Amino acid sequence: AQRVTQPEKLLSVFKGAPVELKCNYSYSGSPELFWYVQYSRQRLQLLLRHISRESIKGFTADLNKGETSFHLKKPFAQEEDSAMYYCALTSYGKLTFGQGTILTVHP
Amino acid sequence: DTGVSQDPRHKITKRGQNVTFRCDPISEHNRLYWYRQTLGQGPEFLTYFQNEAQLEKSRLLSDRFSAERPKGSFSTLEIQRTEQGDSAMYLCASSGRGFTGELFFGEGSRLTVL
Repeated sequence: AQRVTQPEKLLSVFKGAPVELKCNYSYSGSPELFWYVQYSRQRLQLLLRHISRESIKGFTADLNKGETSFHLKKPFAQEEDSAMYYCALTSYGKLTFGQGTILTVHP
Repeated sequence: DTGVSQDPRHKITKRGQNVTFRCDPISEHNRLYWYRQTLGQGPEFLTYFQNEAQLEKSRLLSDRFSAERPKGSFSTLEIQRTEQGDSAMYLCASSGRGFTGELFFGEGSRLTVL
């Protein structure tokens, strides 16, 4: 069965520091991985998807099939990046989410 | 179109009562999903529809839960004989034709069972 694990519930960094949110998955097929974000008082929304291989708001994520990981990275964190981040994968037309990581970026 | 809307936003009920939540998806979206989220956890899949057909229902969903999407537009999620363990945020999401993994979420309906 598919599973997404985000080992860190909380992550705190200072503004300008690099940040990495970890995500590991288990899936028998060829996965499609995503990062979703929920800012304070806003809806859960898509941040980026691995097939796009794009940078969104300075964030990137690389799918590492050997390590079954899809870590989210940003070289210089900003205060507005503070939010809840969820890693997710697709299977049979639906998304399976990890438990989420709360990122706090201090000034 | 203001996106996915859910009603009510908050519901407080006593144990044993029935509750119903409504979701109106983005108008051109044919897929509609229900998720449940409890404190400290990620959204947990409950069920989803393609048009009016319910394509999958989580094994975690007890018989007290039922969802419908009668005309392929709005959907309702009913919980019968509520229990304290049903207290959670119930999220609805929709997506367009050709599932890409991008779901558009509503603001959720928070249920508190006393």
